[in-house]
Amino acid sequence: NAGVMQNPRHLVRRRGQEARLRCSPMKGHSHVYWYRQLPEEGLKFMVYLQKENIIDESGMPKERFSAEFPKEGPSILRIQQVVRGDSAAYFCASSPPAGGYNEQFFGPGTRLTVL
Amino acid sequence: QQQVKQSPQSLIVQKGGISIINCAYENTAFDYFPWYQQFPGKGPALLIAIRPDVSEKKEGRFTISFNKSAKQFSLHIMDSQPGDSATYFCAASKQTGANNLFFGTGTRLTVIP
Repeated sequence: NAGVMQNPRHLVRRRGQEARLRCSPMKGHSHVYWYRQLPEEGLKFMVYLQKENIIDESGMPKERFSAEFPKEGPSILRIQQVVRGDSAAYFCASSPPAGGYNEQFFGPGTRLTVL
Repeated sequence: QQQVKQSPQSLIVQKGGISIINCAYENTAFDYFPWYQQFPGKGPALLIAIRPDVSEKKEGRFTISFNKSAKQFSLHIMDSQPGDSATYFCAASKQTGANNLFFGTGTRLTVIP
């Protein structure tokens, strides 16, 4: 049973480029969360999605950041016109459908470096 | 605003000793409190979790103690081993509605032989 998968594991972008991060949840999981971790800091919530729906995006910066979880395929976190301050590790987590406890399982992360 | 406060920031323990990490939270609506272990370059891995209907939960060498009235919970690692050296994060969330996790700032544990 594969865990949460994220790709790419490392991504280097120049300022002004776009970064596209992908997340495939665990089999049977329909809830996806994105978190950002700055060096030497804890994880900060960004967005919570279910299939084709954004449930909570209160942690997302208002500009340049967007997320989707289409009916088919992985969840995508998209960062447009990246800046150096976007350099961080981005983690995706998934959890089972509602009804159980909120056990979130994390992927290995994508480490974004903006030059 | 840091909704979950964690201490200490770093901890050094002798092999065989007890590691204790403490967390405090503000939001009384939180009803799920997990601990995550993270090794360098890896994602956080769920270690153990507790709900507020119990005051303690033990799994192997790992124990969570929970004090609802004080809004505090802690992780105890008994018989600490060098392989336990990692960063530990406490977290909290609500089970209904917006149930994203609020993380503490992490504790870097080093277990020396």
